[in-house]
Amino acid sequence: QVQLVESGGGLVKPGGSLRLSCAASGFTFSDYYMMWIRQAPGKGLEWVSYISSSGSTIYYADSVKGRFTISRDNAKNSLYLQMNSLRAEDTAVYYCAGGGYCRLWGQGTLVTVSS
Amino acid sequence: QAVVTQEPSLTVSPGGTVTLTCGSSTGAVTSGHYPYWFQQKPGQAPRTLIYDTSNKHSWTPARFSGSLLGGKAALTLSGAQPEDEAEYYCLLSYSGAYVFGTGTKVTVL
Repeated sequence: QVQLVESGGGLVKPGGSLRLSCAASGFTFSDYYMMWIRQAPGKGLEWVSYISSSGSTIYYADSVKGRFTISRDNAKNSLYLQMNSLRAEDTAVYYCAGGGYCRLWGQGTLVTVSS
Repeated sequence: QAVVTQEPSLTVSPGGTVTLTCGSSTGAVTSGHYPYWFQQKPGQAPRTLIYDTSNKHSWTPARFSGSLLGGKAALTLSGAQPEDEAEYYCLLSYSGAYVFGTGTKVTVL
């Protein structure tokens, strides 16, 4: 089945860390760029990060630069987002998207940053 | 970082036509911004309708079309259906970094 499945969300205290994963299946993961996108409760979509198919090119939104790290393991068909120094404003549903012109989206994983 | 602006809300009659636009604070939107359009219904993940200005995925209904119009990216819905009621977001590329638009709530009424 062609799909993306995120995991790793949860409740974390301000200043804490969390690692999100996105498992890809049903397509050639290594052929496509991938992105992380988030949506705060009741708000719009916010692009977070991009990684090229090989992992050699990476971009971040200014709001997460220096705190978040995107990576991928093409052998494991997996995308990751390491989130450090988390803030309350990072609270959101985090989606991975990709598979060729963002044709695939995961169901999202909720990250809540609160004391 | 650029600001990408969309109409906050639009209303269309069933069977009618509506055009959503996506403007950039940096100037005219061009094909080099590789505009995307996404549809999101309440409680669901977004789905991609249009990529690279006007290209459709296999599931994109024919009534949706993308274009460049007056210095903006545009999404036109021709022959609106009740199931098209949703939030619509555009996404623009700025030399690698991406910025989402503010979103347009489309009501079919």
